[in-house]
Amino acid sequence: EVQLGESGGGLVQPGGSLRLSCAASGFTFDTYGMNWVRQAPGKGLEWVSYITSRSSSIYYADSVKGRFTVSRDNAKNSLYLQMNSLRAEDTAVYHCAREGYGSGRILDYWGQGTLVTVSS
Amino acid sequence: QSVLTQPPSVSAAPGQKVAISCSGSSSNIGSNFVSWYQQLPGTAPKLLIYENNKRPSGIPDRFSGSKSGTSATLGITGLQTGDEADYYCGTWDTSLSAGVFGGGTKLTVL
Repeated sequence: EVQLGESGGGLVQPGGSLRLSCAASGFTFDTYGMNWVRQAPGKGLEWVSYITSRSSSIYYADSVKGRFTVSRDNAKNSLYLQMNSLRAEDTAVYHCAREGYGSGRILDYWGQGTLVTVSS
Repeated sequence: QSVLTQPPSVSAAPGQKVAISCSGSSSNIGSNFVSWYQQLPGTAPKLLIYENNKRPSGIPDRFSGSKSGTSATLGITGLQTGDEADYYCGTWDTSLSAGVFGGGTKLTVL
């Protein structure tokens, strides 16, 4: 059974940093690309970042480019999101999602998410 | 404001059918496959449709997808109260080199 579990969320002051983790199990992690998607309270989904299976290609939403860094450790079956210079508008539940095989952005499995709150 | 445009809400009676539209441009829907996601209240999103019209295993054939030009549509037939959820379309935008979602559509089964 595919399982994705996020951790590392919490309350942080504006300008601060936080590192999110996503632990994967139930599939061969190093053969799948991975995404981060966030959802602000009461709002819709916003794609944040995508990293290929071997980290050869990485993409970011303009809203986080230069502040967030995605990485992965295939030996640990883990995905990470380093978030710096956090702003109030970064407040959201952050989900990791597996990129399914096929064409287009196919997010076939999602974690339950971890809440990040940016506030003073 | 989302790159893809969806109606904020749709509603229909149990047993009826509904269509949810998703409008984009040549750089996203017009040149890439579309996926659809269902988010039940308080849960993580779930993949419903991928590559415009394919259903993952376990998704009933009451759910269907189509694409024409720069628009896509999610169809749901035989509506059930358990279908009440938010529905999102998503794809890749080639110009932005970024994933994009619609703003979401809240389905109410009256």
